Amino acid sequence: QSALTQPASVSGSPGQSITISCTGTSSDVGGYNYVSWYQQHPGKAPKLMIYDVINRPSGVSNRFSGSKSGNTASLTISGLQTEDEADYYCSSYTSTNTWVFGGGTKLTVL
Amino acid sequence: EVQLVESGGGLVQPGGSLRVSCAASGFTFSSYWMTWVRQAPGKGLEWVANMRQDVREEYYLDSVKGRFTISRDNAKNSLFLQMNSLRAEDTAVYYCARVREGAAFDIWGQGTMVTVSS
Repeated sequence: QSALTQPASVSGSPGQSITISCTGTSSDVGGYNYVSWYQQHPGKAPKLMIYDVINRPSGVSNRFSGSKSGNTASLTISGLQTEDEADYYCSSYTSTNTWVFGGGTKLTVL
Repeated sequence: EVQLVESGGGLVQPGGSLRVSCAASGFTFSSYWMTWVRQAPGKGLEWVANMRQDVREEYYLDSVKGRFTISRDNAKNSLFLQMNSLRAEDTAVYYCARVREGAAFDIWGQGTMVTVSS
């Protein structure tokens, strides 16, 4: 149950695009299309942004998109807005019927 | 409104026990897997445990196996986490969440703080 690997921080200017990576193994990210992404603002509960690698829940902006290649999943945010500044976590289902999260990435919108 | 509300957090001494609860409303609770996720102060999210709709399957984070027990009461739309032999490293906000079809957590509660300290 080792955590998935995410960059500690990323930054971008309003209007730009950024990508956050999430690296696991063939027992989690690479083995299933069950990667999800969560946004968390300080003091708030996490919010589901992407599920099953590429799908957006109703109400989530289409500026958020997900993808996966091998053991690495990615979250891309286009047209950055100040309200996108938050912590982002990836998560994956695993071969042992458990879940694992990434360490989290702090997004700063400059 | 679809909602999850946790309760039962507090201060407990190392080695002690605590039971946290999660009340669900606005959806058919008995149709969903449910899960507990925790977040230590200033740290990231950590999945803790989950339970199938019919309680026939439950899974745990290795570090809580044998100490924590997840349970649910579908008649009362409630999820529970019984925590025994608590350690300082169990200090965290505990969130309950609904597991949507697939394997993502689509509805979250506001969390309840558990502090293990003497």
